[in-house]
Amino acid sequence: NAGVTQTPKFQVLKTGQSMTLQCAQDMNHEYMSWYRQDPGMGLRLIHYSVGAGITDQGEVPNGYNVSRSTTEDFPLRLLSAAPSQTSVYFCASRSRVQGKLDEQYFGPGTRLTVT
Amino acid sequence: GENVEQHPSTLSVQEGDSAVIKCTYSDSASNYFPWYKQELGKRPQLIIDIRSNVGEKKDQRIAVTLNKTAKHFSLHITETQPEDSAVYFCAATFSGSARQLTFGSGTQLTVLP
Repeated sequence: NAGVTQTPKFQVLKTGQSMTLQCAQDMNHEYMSWYRQDPGMGLRLIHYSVGAGITDQGEVPNGYNVSRSTTEDFPLRLLSAAPSQTSVYFCASRSRVQGKLDEQYFGPGTRLTVT
Repeated sequence: GENVEQHPSTLSVQEGDSAVIKCTYSDSASNYFPWYKQELGKRPQLIIDIRSNVGEKKDQRIAVTLNKTAKHFSLHITETQPEDSAVYFCAATFSGSARQLTFGSGTQLTVLP
């Protein structure tokens, strides 16, 4: 299993540009989520999904869109990049085991710089 | 709202000493408390977790304790080694947000040789 994969690893955008961060998992996990990590602020939840076709907002959703058309993929779209979106982005997935949410696995991250 | 507070933000210990990191949470319905270790430039990785029906859990040199009444949980690392140096995050699930994880702000642990 590849686990959780993310592309690209690094990206530089200019203010106003749009792009999509890709995330995929091959563990058949129901739950997937996107976090951003900024120095001194830990990991903050952007959007999450509890299954294909179902998404919801997290703590910091503004400026981002998501969709979940398949169990495996959960892309994150930046609509119009701003310098405040400079961050490291982590995708994560979790499964249910005997009705309980199990360990959350993180992807390797995407380092995004907006100039 | 949903909140996890983590202390201290930085911690330096001598090799062989113990390290303790503490977190408090706001939702009495929280029932899952994982701890993650993140090395520089790497992804967070789970090192230990505890559920609300257990008061303590150990795995070799690391242990986690949970006090549901006081709504706090702690990570204990004994016989620290230089390779324990990393940022440690606590997290908790909340009854809202489909039980997604809310993270503390992290503790930079440095083990001095």
